[in-house]
Amino acid sequence: GAGVSQSPRYKVTKRGQDVALRCDPISGHVSLYWYRQALGQGPEFLTYFNYEAQQDKSGLPNDRFSAERPEGSISTLTIQRTEQRDSAMYRCASSLELSDTQYFGPGTRLTVL
Amino acid sequence: AQSVTQPDIHITVSEGASLELRCNYSYGATPYLFWYVQSPGQGLQLLLKYFSGDTLVQGIKGFEAEFKRSQSSFNLRKPSVHWSDAAEYFCAVGLTGTASKLTFGTGTRLQVTL
Repeated sequence: GAGVSQSPRYKVTKRGQDVALRCDPISGHVSLYWYRQALGQGPEFLTYFNYEAQQDKSGLPNDRFSAERPEGSISTLTIQRTEQRDSAMYRCASSLELSDTQYFGPGTRLTVL
Repeated sequence: AQSVTQPDIHITVSEGASLELRCNYSYGATPYLFWYVQSPGQGLQLLLKYFSGDTLVQGIKGFEAEFKRSQSSFNLRKPSVHWSDAAEYFCAVGLTGTASKLTFGTGTRLQVTL
């Protein structure tokens, strides 16, 4: 596609529910990154993949957060047993190669009630 | 760990006036440096980047930034601001040799008055 796409754009869920956020990178981009952006803050690194391999997950806040990219293209960020503090904008980015310029998607706004 | 400081949370300039947004970083070596812009409802768009070489880098939309090693700064400038430049601007750094894990500043919101 022309750019990074994310779905859904908005997600409202109740506390305790699981959510799955999807990222579709730019075609041909081998690296994919997840960030979380709280209101009034800059994006905060969560994890990244090179092809299907998760290279760094040091930014995931706790074990309720996980991410996968099984075929080296689309990625899913899953949050289990959501809490209100998980409410934020979740941003995905992709790059042609590792350490190349990251291109960001529009984000998914998650609200946990 | 590296950190990024954008000391100005909010800046207001008149259309046609010059602009400088400040960015300071903390890191032991020369990092990769980026400026992104975020318009309402939009994703982050890369304005410019510095990896190495000429310390004055040109970007899109008439923006430029200068890397000053002695001041650990990478300030963004534009000689004449347009109303469409109103947005939030983020400075980011990546470790030397890798831009895979970016650290962002808290952003500067630019307001442009007509």
